Amino acid sequence: QAGLTQPPSVSKGLRQTATLTCTGNYYNVGNQGAAWLQQHPGHPPKLLSNSNNNRPSGISERFSASRSGNTASLTIAELQPEDEADYYCSAWDSSLTAWVFGGGTKLTVL
Amino acid sequence: EVQLVESGGGLVQPGGSLRLSCAASGFIFSSYWMNWVRQAPGKGLEWVANIKGDGGVRYHADSVKGRFTISRDNAKNSLYLQMNSLRVEDTAVYFCVSFDLNWGQGTLLTVSS
Repeated sequence: QAGLTQPPSVSKGLRQTATLTCTGNYYNVGNQGAAWLQQHPGHPPKLLSNSNNNRPSGISERFSASRSGNTASLTIAELQPEDEADYYCSAWDSSLTAWVFGGGTKLTVL
Repeated sequence: EVQLVESGGGLVQPGGSLRLSCAASGFIFSSYWMNWVRQAPGKGLEWVANIKGDGGVRYHADSVKGRFTISRDNAKNSLYLQMNSLRVEDTAVYFCVSFDLNWGQGTLLTVSS
């Protein structure tokens, strides 16, 4: 099944702001919205934002999600060393009747 | 608090079968969709299958269709993945994922001769 498109890597400095993107199509991101997940090595993914751009309780306000058309974005403000991780977007694709993921973006905090 | 605990992973030869289980707690299990997602070593996330709360609707990824079957037992608050005709490329950590994207710790399946 076709997936969502994410840049493989992003590097930003400590306390800077990083914006990660995720591009799909009308049937997934455009119509269903995208969720964002954070994964540290050796750990399961953790939900940062659901497809309605809402943060679960306990997730820092530094993480904010948005969508414009078929592209979803995750903005991480005031980058901290612990933000260094892999970030995945995901969405239900109503045409494929499948859940699709992006390939992941490795965020490096310099 | 939602808790998902997977079990059943292990080493299997190509062509073999295995059943994964996921014990769920902390929410009304029978009311919600549940998913299996896998991650091959060093790779990204791949959705495998999902199933509606009452078990009446289920979807499988093309890569596993005809070989894997998702099921659930709402009386036991449990989710299952029956995997047949296993291939080397099925080697991955398999995660049980709830409707609201809570993830279990995963169970490792290794398919190798």
